[in-house]
Amino acid sequence: GENVEQHPSTLSVQEGDSAVIKCTYSDSASNYFPWYKQELGKGPQLIIDIRSNVGEKKDQRIAVTLNKTAKHFSLHITETQPEDSAVYFCAASTGGTSYGKLTFGQGTILTVHP
Amino acid sequence: DGGITQSPKYLFRKEGQNVTLSCEQNLNHDAMYWYRQDPGQGLRLIYYSQIVNDFQKGDIAEGYSVSREKKESFPLTVTSAQKNPTAFYLCASSILGSSDTQYFGPGTRLTVL
Repeated sequence: GENVEQHPSTLSVQEGDSAVIKCTYSDSASNYFPWYKQELGKGPQLIIDIRSNVGEKKDQRIAVTLNKTAKHFSLHITETQPEDSAVYFCAASTGGTSYGKLTFGQGTILTVHP
Repeated sequence: DGGITQSPKYLFRKEGQNVTLSCEQNLNHDAMYWYRQDPGQGLRLIYYSQIVNDFQKGDIAEGYSVSREKKESFPLTVTSAQKNPTAFYLCASSILGSSDTQYFGPGTRLTVL
């Protein structure tokens, strides 16, 4: 089955700096890669996702890049703010028109210091 | 407001007792999912359902049971057979067939006393 590895497990940055979180996946059939942000005691919230037919997607300060050949994808947060502090999870799915199982990475605790 | 609701937010259980966690969605989503989250770990799939009256085991189904009698509801029962039930439980739903995007509820924290 699919295996998703996420690094680093913790990341500490100063406000205004950029943060990068990387994930690798094992199943070359995976074609959908969402990123979730989870605040303490709450459910994960989708922040951005990318499908395998594109290499990069941006939404304001957040971007995701995908390298299908190397089977890795990354989350980039620019101009970080204290409210970006949370746990971030990547996931991968084979998707399609039937059930697409999401396999999650282990999570990255991001701390943005004012 | 559209969304996914889970209840209760906190649940305490004595060893040997079964407990049922509620999950309701008004997004008209066909698929629903239950995940377990342990400290410092990612989410692990317990059960999922694509249509009413049908559900499938995920990666860690032992000690859990579900039902899907209505499209909007997907309750999870944690049975006494689950050896280590203390965890954060998350329910999610998605539109089946058009997207894999899963939307999560706020979670239920279960503690076994």
